[in-house]
Amino acid sequence: EVQLVESGGGLIQPGGSLRLSCGVSGFKFSLYWMNWARQAPGEGLEWVASIKQDGSETYYVDSVKGRFTISRDNARDSLFLQMDSLSVDDTAVYYCARGGGLDVWGQGTTVIVSS
Amino acid sequence: QSALTQPPSASGSPGQSVTISCSGSSSDVGAYNYVSWFQHHPGRAPKLIIYEVTKRPSGVPDRFSASKSGNTASLTVSGLQAEDEADYYCSSYAGSSRRLFGTGTKVTVL
Repeated sequence: EVQLVESGGGLIQPGGSLRLSCGVSGFKFSLYWMNWARQAPGEGLEWVASIKQDGSETYYVDSVKGRFTISRDNARDSLFLQMDSLSVDDTAVYYCARGGGLDVWGQGTTVIVSS
Repeated sequence: QSALTQPPSASGSPGQSVTISCSGSSSDVGAYNYVSWFQHHPGRAPKLIIYEVTKRPSGVPDRFSASKSGNTASLTVSGLQAEDEADYYCSSYAGSSRRLFGTGTKVTVL
């Protein structure tokens, strides 16, 4: 069974940093682009970042460029999102999703940025 | 990077059909045949129900169908069932490996 499990969310003060992880199982992780998306309270889904299979290419939504870094460890079947300079607008449930088509998603991990 | 536009809500009685529109631009929906639709029950993982405009992943009932005309995509849910009550989001490739989501539509089964 294909599974994606996010972790690392929590309560963090504005200006702080947090690192999210996504562990996967049930498929060959190294063959897929991977993504992070988020949903702020009361809002819709928003694509956040994508990374190529070998990590050589990364892409970000404008609002997180220069603050967030997507990375992966194919040997550990894991995807990461390093989030720095967090603001209250980054409060959301963060999901990892597989492939260019986002065909499988995790359950999400909640990030709350508040003083 | 503006979101695609969807109606905030749609509803229908069991057995009826509902159609949800997704309005984009010539830079996203109109430019690529990479429109997807997702079903999201709050608190659960979003589920892909349509990809590449009209294709259904294995296991998705054929009650779900979709199309595209110009800069607007549409999702139709036929034979509404109680379990179809959820939030639905369209999504389109927008070039340079970016993806846009729609504003979301809450479907209510009356």
